[in-house]
Parts: sequence; C-alpha cells; structure tokens
Amino acid sequence: NAGVTQTPKFRILKIGQSMTLQCTQDMNHNYMYWYRQDPGMGLKLIYYSVGAGITDKGEVPNGYNVSRSTTEDFPLRLELAAPSQTSVYFCASSGGDREGNGYTFGSGTRLTVV
Amino acid sequence: AQKITQTQPGMFVQEKEAVTLDCTYDTSDQSYGLFWYKQPSSGEMIFLIYQGSYDEQNATEGRYSLNFQKARKSANLVISASQLGDSAMYFCAMREGGGGSYIPTFGRGTSLIVHP
Repeated sequence: NAGVTQTPKFRILKIGQSMTLQCTQDMNHNYMYWYRQDPGMGLKLIYYSVGAGITDKGEVPNGYNVSRSTTEDFPLRLELAAPSQTSVYFCASSGGDREGNGYTFGSGTRLTVV
Repeated sequence: AQKITQTQPGMFVQEKEAVTLDCTYDTSDQSYGLFWYKQPSSGEMIFLIYQGSYDEQNATEGRYSLNFQKARKSANLVISASQLGDSAMYFCAMREGGGGSYIPTFGRGTSLIVHP
C-alpha cells in the first residue's frame, strides 16, 4: 500500500537549471494536485488534474509545468529554476466524492535553489 | 479574503489536557467539505478528520473531534487527552462545491506544543 510516492526527497538546484519532480499514486485516484509549502504560509496550489490528459493551473503556476499522461503519474517540471522556487513540494491525490478518506499526500520534496 | 483562517499561530497545552484549534472559513457554496491535517516535524501530511457541510453531527475520530458551527462558519479541531506526540503543525482545509475538481484550500496552520 504505497499511496502517493514522490521523488526525490531532497534536491539542490543551481539558478537556471531544470528538473522534474516525480509523483505516482497506486490508488486509481482521478484527482491529483501539486502544492508548495513556504514557511508560515500553508500550502499553495500550483497545478491540478482531474484525470489523465486534463490539467489546469492553480494559484501559483508560474515557472512550472505538468503533464498527466496516465492516471498514476503526475510529474511537475521546473524550468529555469529561481531562488523563489525554494520550497517544499507536495503531491496529493483524491478519489473525489469519497472525501471521508481525505486527500493522500506524498512525503514531500525539499528543493533548494542556489 | 482568505477562505480559511487559522488565527492561532501557536498553542501550548499540558499533556493529558484538551485543546481546541480554531478554524473559520469563507464560502458561499452550500456543499463543501472541511478537513484537518497534522504535520509533524518529519514533514508528512497526515489526514485527521473530515466534516461534510450537510453532516448534522460533529465528526469524531478517536481523540479528535470537529466542532462544526455552520452558522458561524467555524470548524474547530478539539484534541482530547493531549499526548507528547501531538506536538505538530495543524492545518485546516476546505473543499468548495463547484467544478468537480475537489480542490482543497489550506489555512496557514497552527503550531501545537504539548508540554509534559
């Protein structure tokens, strides 16, 4: 019962580099989300997906891109990394109307851009 | 305006005592969901409890209960018999009804420290 798996757990990037944060879930959830967590600021939505092939922007999408080619995978791409993207990134998934089970989160990726 | 407001940046409680963490929300939807999450120092997000807007009874899960006051738009988390392991950040979240995207919006969190 893996739930939501995120890789890597830690990463240091230089300004201008690019990387992909991986997110995979094995619960057959249609709904997936990417959040960033800055100190004292709660979680802010970057992108979300309601199913394979369908993605949409959240509150803070600039500097990021996503794709959803399968139900299981929802990678987050950072292009031209900037210090402002230093944060902890969480991927989450949901089965939708079975809300009593909550949203399942991955363990997070701590990214530092220097 | 913030959709989820958690006014207590930090709370302290004695072990074995009860503590209430405040959460107010803002929505014009009739159908919505309210959630509480715990984030220990290790960083993972742990789902604690859920309350649907149409649920007439307050949700309970073990030592956690949600004090749901719909007219006041509040969804406070009550932790009974606090334990040292309850020390963590606690986040309130709301999913509003529209669009079918089931997107939760999170508050800024409350840091809870349990003293022995």
